[in-house]
Amino acid sequence: AQTVTQSQPEMSVQEAETVTLSCTYDTSESDYYLFWYKQPPSRQMILVIRQEAYKQQNATENRFSVNFQKAAKSFSLKISDSQLGDAAMYFCAYKPLMNRDDKIIFGKGTRLHILP
Amino acid sequence: DGGITQSPKYLFRKEGQNVTLSCEQNLNHDAMYWYRQDPGQGLRLIYYSQIVNDFQKGDIAEGYSVSREKKESFPLTVTSAQKNPTAFYLCASSISDNTGELFFGEGSRLTVL
Repeated sequence: AQTVTQSQPEMSVQEAETVTLSCTYDTSESDYYLFWYKQPPSRQMILVIRQEAYKQQNATENRFSVNFQKAAKSFSLKISDSQLGDAAMYFCAYKPLMNRDDKIIFGKGTRLHILP
Repeated sequence: DGGITQSPKYLFRKEGQNVTLSCEQNLNHDAMYWYRQDPGQGLRLIYYSQIVNDFQKGDIAEGYSVSREKKESFPLTVTSAQKNPTAFYLCASSISDNTGELFFGEGSRLTVL
């Protein structure tokens, strides 16, 4: 069965510093998508970044970047220059590419605190 | 603005009562989803619908029911058969391009007294 594991339930980082959130997944598929979603205290979940497994280049969105290690099945999120607005729950998620009926699988989340 | 609207934001009900949570989207998305979020559990899929008049059970469908009579609407009923209904419920939608990106509503907090 496909699983997504986030081993850090909570993390803290000083404002303006860099933090890395870990995610590992288990799958026998070769083509899939990986996502990081952010859920701030207001509760509306938004997509932070997406990675296609067939792309070797790590995805980047402004201060957010990923370290995608396909062989190790690892997909960590790096947040540079942390800001107070980055405080949120972060969910790692996985979706197989081939079957459109396959559901997205979420990890249990990492709560990120930003220390002023 | 396009988006997903969930209502009510907070709902209190007595044990044994059915409740219906509303989810409306104006994004013209084909697929809609209901997730349940509990502390430390992440998001668990209750039901999803890829097209109007069709829906499938997710991982924790017992005690819940849905309908999809219109593309824009995907209401969730929490029935009295749901043993532990107090939770935060999230509705989401996506286009059918298999990229998997979900767009979420702001959620509904249900508390059963």
